[in-house]
Amino acid sequence: GESVGLHLPTLSVQEGDNSIINCAYSNSASDYFIWYKQESGKGPQFIIDIRSNMDKRQGQRVTVLLNKTVKHLSLQIAATQPGDSAVYFCAENIGNPGDMRFGAGTRLTVKP
Amino acid sequence: KAGVTQTPRYLIKTRGQQVTLSCSPISGHRSVSWYQQTPGQGLQFLFEYFSETQRNKGNFPGRFSGRQFSNSRSEMNVSTLELGDSALYLCASRQTPGGASGELFFGEGSRLTVL
Repeated sequence: GESVGLHLPTLSVQEGDNSIINCAYSNSASDYFIWYKQESGKGPQFIIDIRSNMDKRQGQRVTVLLNKTVKHLSLQIAATQPGDSAVYFCAENIGNPGDMRFGAGTRLTVKP
Repeated sequence: KAGVTQTPRYLIKTRGQQVTLSCSPISGHRSVSWYQQTPGQGLQFLFEYFSETQRNKGNFPGRFSGRQFSNSRSEMNVSTLELGDSALYLCASRQTPGGASGELFFGEGSRLTVL
């Protein structure tokens, strides 16, 4: 989920389970979205992207779903592994020409 | 292919001082964006440069400035530092500007502590 403030939303899952991380974006005109993963002490890394003319896109073990009606984005991770533990950010492109604006992030913890 | 390189990685300053951070983008990338990351505000967009021109700016005071050189390397400067400027400053590059033009590649960041 999304929140602004001092505390990141957290999600704790068991290794091997599927994870779903949600994001509510702000602008109905946003046309491009990216999910990033940030591990401790590192910069964000690209996971998967989706354009607004699509509602689903799949990668390796990850799927992004876009619901423009309610301005909602989700990231599904299949068979979650300990290495998936990180903070996950959704980002949306706002404006034309635009720039990427980031959500507050969700901390995913995978229990072995 | 080398990634985005930021220097310095860590630095400590006192209030009132100024700081300059450097970013070398991935070879061939001409767009450089800067973000500030804090626990309270998350990742916030500072500005984006392309072809030595600032093409977009976030909602930060004029104490935050930047520039880009002809080789696409970029610097950002923060003057008259405040305690609240303590943050991780992230640089990201891509081939062309514009949010929908593809992923941003991030560096490891410069962690600034203001005492």
